[in-house]
Amino acid sequence: GENVEQHPSTLSVQEGDSAVIKCTYSDSASNYFPWYKQELGKGPQLIIDIRSNVGEKKDQRIAVTLNKTAKHFSLHITETQPEDSAVYFCAAHKGGSQGNLIFGKGTKLSVKP
Amino acid sequence: KAGVTQTPRYLIKTRGQQVTLSCSPISGHRSVSWYQQTPGQGLQFLFEYFSETQRNKGNFPGRFSGRQFSNSRSEMNVSTLELGDSALYLCASSRTGEPTNEKLFFGSGTQLSVL
Repeated sequence: GENVEQHPSTLSVQEGDSAVIKCTYSDSASNYFPWYKQELGKGPQLIIDIRSNVGEKKDQRIAVTLNKTAKHFSLHITETQPEDSAVYFCAAHKGGSQGNLIFGKGTKLSVKP
Repeated sequence: KAGVTQTPRYLIKTRGQQVTLSCSPISGHRSVSWYQQTPGQGLQFLFEYFSETQRNKGNFPGRFSGRQFSNSRSEMNVSTLELGDSALYLCASSRTGEPTNEKLFFGSGTQLSVL
C-alpha cells in the first residue's frame, strides 16, 4: 500500500524566514496531494492541495511543488509569522475511498519572533 | 455554518472499559470518517460512514466500531480498552467522502487517555 514519508519532524525558523517541508510517496497511482495545518487543540485544516497534472501551486505565502518522477512533493512557506506555528501534515490519495488518503507523520513548525 | 462537533473533548478511562465518542458533521454532509492520531503514528484511518453504512475500514482490530444515524451524526465505540488506545480521535465530514473532489472538515477531536 501507499507509504508517505515526511521530513523534518520538527522545524524551527526565525520570523520572516522561509520554511520547507518535504514528503515522499511510494504509490505511483497517487494523484492528489493535500497539506493540512493543525493548530494546538484543533483538528487539521486543509491549507493547500495539488493534483498530479500540476507541478506547482501558490496561495499567497504558501506554495506546493510536485515532482511525479521522483515521487516527492514539498510545502514552502515564505515570510513566516508566529501564527504559522503548528503541525503540518502532508497526504497522498490515489482516488476512490477515503481510506486511500494516507498521511505523513507530521512536522512541528515553530516560528520564533 | 457550524463546524464539525466532537464530544466529549476529553475522556479518561481505565483498561478494560469501553468508550463511546460522538461526532456531529456539518449540516448537509453525509460522509463521516474517523481517524486516530498519536505522536508516533500520525493520523491513521479507522473507518468511514456514508448514509448510515460503513463504506471503508482501516486496519484496526474489531474492538473499534462505529455507526451513523439517519441525521448523519456518528458514534465510535472502543471496547476492552488498552493502554495503546490512548490517542486523539478525530472525526472528519464531507458531502460525498471523496477527498479528491472536495474538502474534508475535521473536528477538534476527543483526547482519550487510558490508565
